[in-house]
Amino acid sequence: SAVISQKPSRDICQRGTSLTIQCQVDSQVTMMFWYRQQPGQSLTLIATANQGSEATYESGFVIDKFPISRPNLTFSTLTVSNMSPEDSSIYLCSANPSGANVLTFGAGSRLTVL
Amino acid sequence: KQEVTQIPAALSVPEGENLVLNCSFTDSAIYNLQWFRQDPGKGLTSLLLIQSSQREQTSGRLNASLDKSSGRSTLYIAASQPGDSATYLCAVLDNYGQNFVFGPGTRLSVLP
Repeated sequence: SAVISQKPSRDICQRGTSLTIQCQVDSQVTMMFWYRQQPGQSLTLIATANQGSEATYESGFVIDKFPISRPNLTFSTLTVSNMSPEDSSIYLCSANPSGANVLTFGAGSRLTVL
Repeated sequence: KQEVTQIPAALSVPEGENLVLNCSFTDSAIYNLQWFRQDPGKGLTSLLLIQSSQREQTSGRLNASLDKSSGRSTLYIAASQPGDSATYLCAVLDNYGQNFVFGPGTRLSVLP
């Protein structure tokens, strides 16, 4: 099965700054997904990133706040912009390797905004 | 809109007990269902995948069943161990193969 590397694993950031999270898959995948998990909550899908096209954002999430890049079939980034304490969460990237309709996850990025 | 619920929200058992975690979904038109484990502050690890045409899957001490018509899945853990302590989440994939919907999870504590 695919291995997904995600970094940073954790960070502490100041209000108003931006942080970019990187996600690398060890095989080519068509779709990559970015999730947010707020403290004590389940996963909420932020957006789906396809290579060569704009990411598709879920209701409540906008590109200006969470810009996503997908430059090739193995890599994606999520930026959390102009951060506030409410953005403190675990951010997870995942992929659907080989179109098998099975989700594989990175280890997550735990973000704390002061 | 698909909704996934999990009962109980939290469970604490002594080591060695067999236990059942429950997952319910409102729309039976699913492609598959996946059970995950999440350790605190970490990512998700896939445990079992059940395709919509299957009734159950087994891996070691874990057995997952699926009753698509009633919108339910169970995860059975045999002879629980302290290392099983984690949050267990289920997720369903819709029939279009595009949208994964997660349940809120069950937080399991296995006491030595």
